[in-house]
Amino acid sequence: SQTIHQWPATLVQPVGSPLSLECTVEGTSNPNLYWYRQAAGRGLQLLFYSVGIGQISSEVPQNLSASRPQDRQFILSSKKLLLSDSGFYLCAWSVLDGEQFFGPGTRLTVL
Amino acid sequence: SQQGEEDPQALSIQEGENATMNCSYKTSINNLQWYRQNSGRGLVHLILIRSNEREKHSGRLRVTLDTSKKSSSLLITASRAADTASYFCATAPGGNKLVFGAGTILRVKS
Repeated sequence: SQTIHQWPATLVQPVGSPLSLECTVEGTSNPNLYWYRQAAGRGLQLLFYSVGIGQISSEVPQNLSASRPQDRQFILSSKKLLLSDSGFYLCAWSVLDGEQFFGPGTRLTVL
Repeated sequence: SQQGEEDPQALSIQEGENATMNCSYKTSINNLQWYRQNSGRGLVHLILIRSNEREKHSGRLRVTLDTSKKSSSLLITASRAADTASYFCATAPGGNKLVFGAGTILRVKS
């Protein structure tokens, strides 16, 4: 069966510090991978998605970046965090535009 | 930008009652999906309805889709306290992406 992992679960970082969030998927090959951000009490904002290794589509211009170094690994990064980067970050995988399977999320607080 | 808009934003009902949530969208779609999110957790897929389908059932869930009105509804029958969560619709306009609405917060009181 397929599983999706995200870590860390929670993170508190100072403004200006770097960020690296990791997401890995097991039990499937060549999935579409997605990074979303969710502000408190709001819906999901798609940040990046990837249909294959090294292929990244950016949906929202900002100081975040994403990379897919391996088929089932998706990394969200920032060189310098802003206060506005605080939120709940969710990774998901899917096949084409079918149902998406979400990880448990990372709660990021930038102070 | 978000395409799906859920209505109402929040809903509070008694256990055993039915809960209806609506979703409107703007562009043509391949499918529409409903998800559930418990507080502080990831989303869980509930049901997918394709653009050529009008109604779909899964257990206590019933989803309708009206492509002419660009709207969908999610009905949860005989609600339980455990149904308390946020519910999101998501549209697939094509291109491997989903566009999520802002969600409906459902509270079921026991």
